[in-house]
Amino acid sequence: NAGVTQTPKFQVLKTGQSMTLQCAQDMNHNSMYWYRQDPGMGLRLIYYSASEGTTDKGEVPNGYNVSRLNKREFSLRLESAAPSQTSVYFCASSVGGVSETQYFGPGTRLLVL
Amino acid sequence: AQSVTQLGSHVSVSEGALVLLRCNYSSSVPPYLFWYVQYPNQGLQLLLKYTSAATLVKGINGFEAEFKKSETSFHLTKPSAHMSDAAEYFCAVSVIQGGKLIFGQGTELSVKP
Repeated sequence: NAGVTQTPKFQVLKTGQSMTLQCAQDMNHNSMYWYRQDPGMGLRLIYYSASEGTTDKGEVPNGYNVSRLNKREFSLRLESAAPSQTSVYFCASSVGGVSETQYFGPGTRLLVL
Repeated sequence: AQSVTQLGSHVSVSEGALVLLRCNYSSSVPPYLFWYVQYPNQGLQLLLKYTSAATLVKGINGFEAEFKKSETSFHLTKPSAHMSDAAEYFCAVSVIQGGKLIFGQGTELSVKP
């Protein structure tokens, strides 16, 4: 039981390049989330998927797209990376619902030059 | 709109001393509140959560938090700090729609020998 896994762990991009961050969970959770973590700002929600087949914007969606590929997988795409997207990205999942615990992956550290 | 404020971006205590990390929330509806811990280069893991069952909530590793509606607070405490408690701690409130979390800015806890 791996929980939430993310690939890659580290990535360096040049401005304008694209990439996709992968996330998978093996807990049969309904809801999945993408956050970014920046110093002094806590974690901010980029996009979330309350259930398979649905996605919605979070607090900071600009410059990102997501795909809920199936119940297990939720990917985050940067179409044209910018230095402002240098951050640590976390994927999380939960059974869904306002009081449920979210389980986090180990994170992807992204540097955009 | 819900929000969370953590007072103090950095707290330093001596080993064996009381740990007190402060969290205040703003919510127009009864909140669900969480404390998460992040050890260096890892994802977040749940310490404890308040879901209206009891105002004093006990979590893992000897931590507890008390929900005080009149003060809109959910402070995290531990009677005696251990070196292994050094980490970053995040308070969060759950938003009804989609179970999204709104995080505070985080408090880094240092423990001196």
